[in-house]
Parts: sequence; C-alpha cells; structure tokens
Amino acid sequence: SQQGEEDPQALSIQEGENATMNCSYKTSINNLQWYRQNSGRGLVHLILIRSNEREKHSGRLRVTLDTSKKSSSLLITASRAADTASYFCATEGNTPLVFGKGTRLSVIA
Amino acid sequence: EAGVAQSPRYKIIEKRQSVAFWCNPISGHATLYWYQQILGQGPKLLIQFQNNGVVDDSQLPKDRFSAERLKGVDSTLKIQPAKLEDSAVYLCASSLVTREQFFGPGTRLTVL
Repeated sequence: SQQGEEDPQALSIQEGENATMNCSYKTSINNLQWYRQNSGRGLVHLILIRSNEREKHSGRLRVTLDTSKKSSSLLITASRAADTASYFCATEGNTPLVFGKGTRLSVIA
Repeated sequence: EAGVAQSPRYKIIEKRQSVAFWCNPISGHATLYWYQQILGQGPKLLIQFQNNGVVDDSQLPKDRFSAERLKGVDSTLKIQPAKLEDSAVYLCASSLVTREQFFGPGTRLTVL
C-alpha cells in the first residue's frame, strides 16, 4: 500500500538535542508531507517535499526524500519541550493523502 | 484567518444510534476532507470533496456512513447506525491547490 511507516514508533530526548524520524513507503508518490499532532493545536502541516526534490528546510526542520529507497527523514534540531507531539508522514500519489501511524516524540526539559 | 470549524467537539452515543458531525472549512478552500483517526493510529481518509462533488470515497463504509457538502461550503458526516468500532476522532480538513491541508480540532466520538 502507499501508507508510510514511521520509525521509531516512540522517541524520547533531552531538550536541545536533535530528533530524527524516518518514514518508508511502498509505491510511487507525487509528494510527501509531514504533520505534527498534539493535544493543544491538533494536526498541523509542517512541510511538503515533492518527488523531484531531495531536501527542504523550514526553520528548525529539515526533510530529506530518497525516492530510490522510498524513504524520507524529518530532522528537528535543537528540540524544545514544545516539540513534544506525534509526527506523521503522509504520502500523496495516485490516491489522496495517506498517513502513517506516527512517531511519538517526547522532549524532556 | 479563521480556521476549520467542527462541531460538536465531543459526542457519546449508544451503539445503533445515529450521529452527525458538522464542518465549516476555511473560506475559499474548494477541497474538503473527512478523516477517521482511531487511537494510536494516523488519520484515515473517509471522503474527499472538490466543491460539491465527491473525488474519493473508496474508504467510506457506505452502508452506515454518509456525507454531503452543501453548496460547496459546509459539510456533514453522518453515521447510522453506529457500531462500537466507530469510536474515534473525526477530523475535517480543507485545502487549496497547494496540497497543504488545514485541519479542524476534530470530534471525539465514543460509542458505548
């Protein structure tokens, strides 16, 4: 299926450290998106990377995409307690957006 | 800019009862989505509208779920009759052509 799978399922780090989450998928895609979900702000779009792009940056976020390996990574630098949330990758191809099960990130102050 | 509005925020019903959720997308967003998110999982698309028309409803359990989008703006999702496994958060989202989806706060449904 097109559904992405995030790895790890859960991640706990200290404030100030970097957090890396990975996403793998199985079919060809047009774009891959990362979303964050926490109880305070709901589900929020972070970044979109198109299939012909390899890397994108947005503030403390860096996303890479390797279409040959069908994988993406999300790097959050200098993490903060407010980054505590679930992070989902979502792929869009011949079907509308399909979400993975997410990575639960805990940033400890 | 106002975000996506949903109501109610919480709903508790008995199995076999019916329930309806309402969504008002961001003004000017032609595309509207309904997702079901079961605890511990990612959102699953139920139906996608482009203006008044249905683009994708392949994962909508049509024997019990129905959705409509009135005049290409507001939308209603209905479940009739509800089952225990319908307990979930129902999310509404809208988007322009940029593909970024804006989500509402969701409706948490508990079926007893």
